[in-house]
Amino acid sequence: DQQVKQNSPSLSVQEGRISILNCDYTNSMFDYFLWYKKYPAEGPTFLISISSIKDKNEDGRFTVFLNKSAKHLSLHIVPSQPGDSAVYFCAARKGGSNYKLTFGKGTLLTVNP
Amino acid sequence: ETGVTQTPRHLVMGMTNKKSLKCEQHLGHNAMYWYKQSAKKPLELMFVYSLEERVENNSVPSRFSPECPNSSHLFLHLHTLQPEDSALYLCASSQRTSGGTDTQYFGPGTRLTVL
Repeated sequence: DQQVKQNSPSLSVQEGRISILNCDYTNSMFDYFLWYKKYPAEGPTFLISISSIKDKNEDGRFTVFLNKSAKHLSLHIVPSQPGDSAVYFCAARKGGSNYKLTFGKGTLLTVNP
Repeated sequence: ETGVTQTPRHLVMGMTNKKSLKCEQHLGHNAMYWYKQSAKKPLELMFVYSLEERVENNSVPSRFSPECPNSSHLFLHLHTLQPEDSALYLCASSQRTSGGTDTQYFGPGTRLTVL
């Protein structure tokens, strides 16, 4: 049973436009969420995170939105650049001293020049 | 070296072999992790070490044996693996915080093929 779901395996956008990557979760105990980016032959790289006490966190071109009632979060990239082409993973963690990150399967983003 | 390094990057082994994967973190972190990523599956947590003590074993078969000799090094010893164990094995580290909002930093992974 997948607790973190990224229902779009792939997404293609034009350079300069907005990329919106979506993630849904089922476990209401999750209270910390992260986005990672992964290039081929490299490990995942941390992008941005959000705590459940917030509904938005922004870092440069990247903004993460959290809708707790819908158990949904999204990553917005504006403007998208060809170098953003990668697999994006959503991850979630339960509160307290829990170590475990639960990951989605990832979405392959392709930004076309 | 910076960040989290893993060796080897690629490994091919037979089912009767014994091999080890090595991970080293240069970030001064106090927790280290092994993850497995199989084709078309999400990353799955295997083991967690905090302050060199194993704090989580995520129902991993005994043919995988982790070792954490100090806070900077983590090993995954492999023996009598099965072809279905072929996957990308990722190491990560983090600085644990009381609020549980630490970020895990990943190495590049070891691509393991079991013949």
